[in-house]
Amino acid sequence: AQSVTQLDSQVPVFEEAPVELRCNYSSSVSVYLFWYVQYPNQGLQLLLKYLSGSTLVKGINGFEAEFNKSQTSFHLRKPSVHISDTAEYFCAASNSGGSNYKLTFGKGTLLTVNP
Amino acid sequence: NAGVTQTPKFRILKIGQSMTLQCAQDMNHNYMYWYRQDPGMGLKLIYYSVGAGITDKGEVPNGYNVSRSTTEDFPLRLELAAPSQTSVYFCASSSPLATSYNEQFFGPGTRLTVL
Repeated sequence: AQSVTQLDSQVPVFEEAPVELRCNYSSSVSVYLFWYVQYPNQGLQLLLKYLSGSTLVKGINGFEAEFNKSQTSFHLRKPSVHISDTAEYFCAASNSGGSNYKLTFGKGTLLTVNP
Repeated sequence: NAGVTQTPKFRILKIGQSMTLQCAQDMNHNYMYWYRQDPGMGLKLIYYSVGAGITDKGEVPNGYNVSRSTTEDFPLRLELAAPSQTSVYFCASSSPLATSYNEQFFGPGTRLTVL
């Protein structure tokens, strides 16, 4: 079964600093990867996804992520964060075959951007 | 489109009471899901459905039941509420056009407290 590990439960940064949120997945088979963001008291919305092709994926709000198959990682990055990026971020994965309608989520990383 | 809607937004239950959390989507999505979110634990899948009349258990189904009589609606029932069911509940759906990629769309959540 797929598992997803988010290595940091909390990441505090200052405004305009770069940030990287780390995510590793377990499966060695073909996988689809996602990053979702959850603003306070809201549902989850998709930031970006990796399905195939280019390993560098660009998403909304200036975020990007890089798929690294050899390291089974899908880290999320932003070169300069804003106060409004304060939110919880979830990495998720599904296998590309079989029961591919189910997502496995990491436990989340709370990003806090301080002025 | 309203997307995925959930009612109620908040609810307080007494131990042993029952209730139904409502979920509806207007995107003609075949697949629907119920998750619970507990602090620091990410999202856990309770039940899912791949179409009207078809439901199956997820990772944490105990204490819950679902039904799917229409494509649009996917209610979640708690029969005998327990304090361990205090959580935030999210409903999600995914598009038949992107089923293989499992991009899920989330509702705003229902915050349930059992006292």
